[in-house]
Amino acid sequence: AQSVTQLGSHVSVSEGALVLLRCNYSSSVPPYLFWYVQYPNQGLQLLLKYTSAATLVKGINGFEAEFKKSETSFHLTKPSAHMSDAAEYFCAVSDQNDYKLSFGAGTTVTVRA
Amino acid sequence: EAGVAQSPRYKIIEKRQSVAFWCNPISGHATLYWYQQILGQGPKLLIQFQNNGVVDDSQLPKDRFSAERLKGVDSTLKIQPAKLEDSAVYLCASSSGTSVNNEQFFGPGTRLTVL
Repeated sequence: AQSVTQLGSHVSVSEGALVLLRCNYSSSVPPYLFWYVQYPNQGLQLLLKYTSAATLVKGINGFEAEFKKSETSFHLTKPSAHMSDAAEYFCAVSDQNDYKLSFGAGTTVTVRA
Repeated sequence: EAGVAQSPRYKIIEKRQSVAFWCNPISGHATLYWYQQILGQGPKLLIQFQNNGVVDDSQLPKDRFSAERLKGVDSTLKIQPAKLEDSAVYLCASSSGTSVNNEQFFGPGTRLTVL
């Protein structure tokens, strides 16, 4: 069964600083990987996804993630944090043949002025 | 394009009571999902519908949870009777298909508190 582990339940960054959210996956077969964002009182929104094409994936709002098979990782980054990036971020995995999502526990990002 | 609608947004009940949640997916989306998101955890899939048929309900606690999508559009999720551990946000999502290219769109959720 596939699963993801998000390292760090809370991350605090200064406005303009690098945002780095860590996600490691456990899968017996090459997975599909996703990052979602959840703003307060809203549903989840897809930021980006990896589907076996380019290992560096660019998403919305300036976020990107790199698939590293050797490290079983799919970390999410943004070069310069904005106040509007304050939210909860979820990493998710699915099998290539069965698009059912298994989510990590989430990382809450706060941005300091 | 209207998003996924859910109601109510909040619900507080006593344990052993019953509760129902409603979801209206994006128009034309054949696939509908219900997720349970307990505080501090990621969403967990409860049930997946394709049109009005159940594709996967392996994670649904069938002794107390039920869901239906009779006409292949709206869906309701019911809990009867509720337990304290059912306190969570219940998310509905829909997609136009079941491949990875068919993005799941999520509603705002219903926050259930069981006292």
